[in-house]
Amino acid sequence: GAVVSQHPSRVICKSGTSVKIECRSLDFQATTMFWYRQFPKQSLMLMATSNEGSKATYEQGVEKDKFLINHASLTLSTLTVTSAHPEDSSFYICSARPGQGLFEQYFGPGTRLTVT
Amino acid sequence: QKEVEQNSGPLSVPEGAIASLNCTYSDRGSQSFFWYRQYSGKSPELIMFIYSNGDKEDGRFTAQLNKASQYVSLLIRDSQPSDSATYLCAVIIAAGNKLTFGGGTRVLVKP
Repeated sequence: GAVVSQHPSRVICKSGTSVKIECRSLDFQATTMFWYRQFPKQSLMLMATSNEGSKATYEQGVEKDKFLINHASLTLSTLTVTSAHPEDSSFYICSARPGQGLFEQYFGPGTRLTVT
Repeated sequence: QKEVEQNSGPLSVPEGAIASLNCTYSDRGSQSFFWYRQYSGKSPELIMFIYSNGDKEDGRFTAQLNKASQYVSLLIRDSQPSDSATYLCAVIIAAGNKLTFGGGTRVLVKP
């Protein structure tokens, strides 16, 4: 149980285009979902927290107009990287928490974004 | 002082031995503690969580929590080469909602 999927696993896009990444909790309802990114040999960096039906809460320094997060249902959250630039190339990972008194957080397999 | 601290390693362990990983945290009000394993190029995988003082065992893994001393540890028994990874300690600090990660301990299990 507690499986989180992400799609796509890998994407290459041209500078200036937008990319959407989907995160789904497959066997539980996720009241809260989180988006992280990780650069090579660095720690996970939390970008934002989203609750179903609410606006996402972004961490300091993360541009909310650039990284659009939508948590439309209890099993789906999306991250859209708008007007991507090469410096946005990174490993983007979502995670989901069942809530209802459960604090465990399960990570998706990640999406490797390369902006050329 | 960092909120969650781990020795970066690498911790080199012979195959079949016990790997012992430690993590300390600064916020005394923290309630929820997690251990994740992350292989190079992959996302973190939850291997243990512990909320109460004492030991919690799951297969070859044992998590130990001591809130008075503000540390949480992970023991890996009968270590296998496939256990070679970075182990991340994570804490939900008091009044918080998000995980605060330590820097991770790299473990190398040598055949």
